[in-house]
Amino acid sequence: AQSVTQLGSHVSVSEGALVLLRCNYSSSVPPYLFWYVQYPNQGLQLLLKYTTGATLVKGINGFEAEFKKSETSFHLTKPSAHMSDAAEYFCAVSGDNAGNMLTFGGGTRLMVKP
Amino acid sequence: NAGVTQTPKFQVLKTGQSMTLQCAQDMNHEYMSWYRQDPGMGLRLIHYSVGAGITDQGEVPNGYNVSRSTTEDFPLRLLSAAPSQTSVYFCASRLAGTRGETQYFGPGTRLLVL
Repeated sequence: AQSVTQLGSHVSVSEGALVLLRCNYSSSVPPYLFWYVQYPNQGLQLLLKYTTGATLVKGINGFEAEFKKSETSFHLTKPSAHMSDAAEYFCAVSGDNAGNMLTFGGGTRLMVKP
Repeated sequence: NAGVTQTPKFQVLKTGQSMTLQCAQDMNHEYMSWYRQDPGMGLRLIHYSVGAGITDQGEVPNGYNVSRSTTEDFPLRLLSAAPSQTSVYFCASRLAGTRGETQYFGPGTRLLVL
């Protein structure tokens, strides 16, 4: 069984401030982890992913995430928020060996104040 | 490449009506899937397919049917629509490869069942 918990359904930051979106997972096999972003009325696009190797993963638009096995976490960060970062962010885990079941968290809506 | 395309973009149904949501991809991806997105619940997997002629159930398959006669197309059928099926539906595809392969999402179909 696998699951994803995203703490905070809404996060608000000021432009230029640090962005931190939290994701915790459970998985019965070594997890592959993903962050997706969804802009209004659009589909999801991949920000970054962790499969194996380096635990600090860099993605598009200045985002990065660190896989911490001991904490079962994969938090998403960005040093300085931009207005264009306002969107909904989803963490997902592929926690079955075949990779056929991608499980998503409930999502976090990021708001950026000028 | 058009990527993953979905039609229609928006549909209103009456309870008990049937309809088919269309999904097509031009990336020669073996794996295709359907998700529904509901507020606060993230995306939940309905059905998936690992190749033509092969389909399987996801997390929330009840009330939905799928078939996969070609690599490119993966339609989702609602046989008798219910208000609980009001949602936004996303189709996605990826290479079969490993479970770390990136999924590419379509723009979504917004369905309202009255």
